[in-house]
Amino acid sequence: DSGVTQTPKHLITATGQRVTLRCSPRSGDLSVYWYQQSLDQGLQFLIQYYNGEERAKGNILERFSAQQFPDLHSELNLSSLELGDSALYFCASSVARTGGNTIYFGEGSWLTVV
Amino acid sequence: AQKITQTQPGMFVQEKEAVTLDCTYDTSDPSYGLFWYKQPSSGEMIFLIYQGSYDQQNATEGRYSLNFQKARKSANLVISASQLGDSAMYFCAMREPPAQGGSEKLVFGKGTKLTVNP
Repeated sequence: DSGVTQTPKHLITATGQRVTLRCSPRSGDLSVYWYQQSLDQGLQFLIQYYNGEERAKGNILERFSAQQFPDLHSELNLSSLELGDSALYFCASSVARTGGNTIYFGEGSWLTVV
Repeated sequence: AQKITQTQPGMFVQEKEAVTLDCTYDTSDPSYGLFWYKQPSSGEMIFLIYQGSYDQQNATEGRYSLNFQKARKSANLVISASQLGDSAMYFCAMREPPAQGGSEKLVFGKGTKLTVNP
């Protein structure tokens, strides 16, 4: 158990819909990262938050947004869903803004868009 | 831009034998970190081992060790005494050096699928 909790574990939704994925980082970790894993794109970094502030943005679509709350949990919002958004979405956390030696991943949220 | 290359799409090993999974990386930055993760068929991403670019010794964690050859820019994962439960995808990843803003995002290779045969 990495200590990073993600919900839901599985989600099936229709095209055009909106979903929210939730992540609770490990106790004491201030940084949260979101990654997308798909068969054709592999593991892609989406976005990072540190202590409530956005720190870095990767290949995140405009239809996607995220935030980190004062209690440090984070949510990834995916809207106007398309079939190609079907993927495994990971949340990861680390203690530091920089220089940390370990980045732990949650079990992922499987999103299927039909 | 940083890049990670895993040249072995699939590897097979007999139970109880050792296996080496290859990883090469490309960066011009002197400070970086290298990670290995295991992803079983259930999907979770499990942290295995970390090597910092300034670490003098190769990292070890139980049956996992990292053969770090800095001049060759390689960071191969060695699994000793393979077990059936080691069958999984294995990803090598590099932490980008902190730039303005301090991101620690990881860049991943495409992975190697390891199958341990009884």
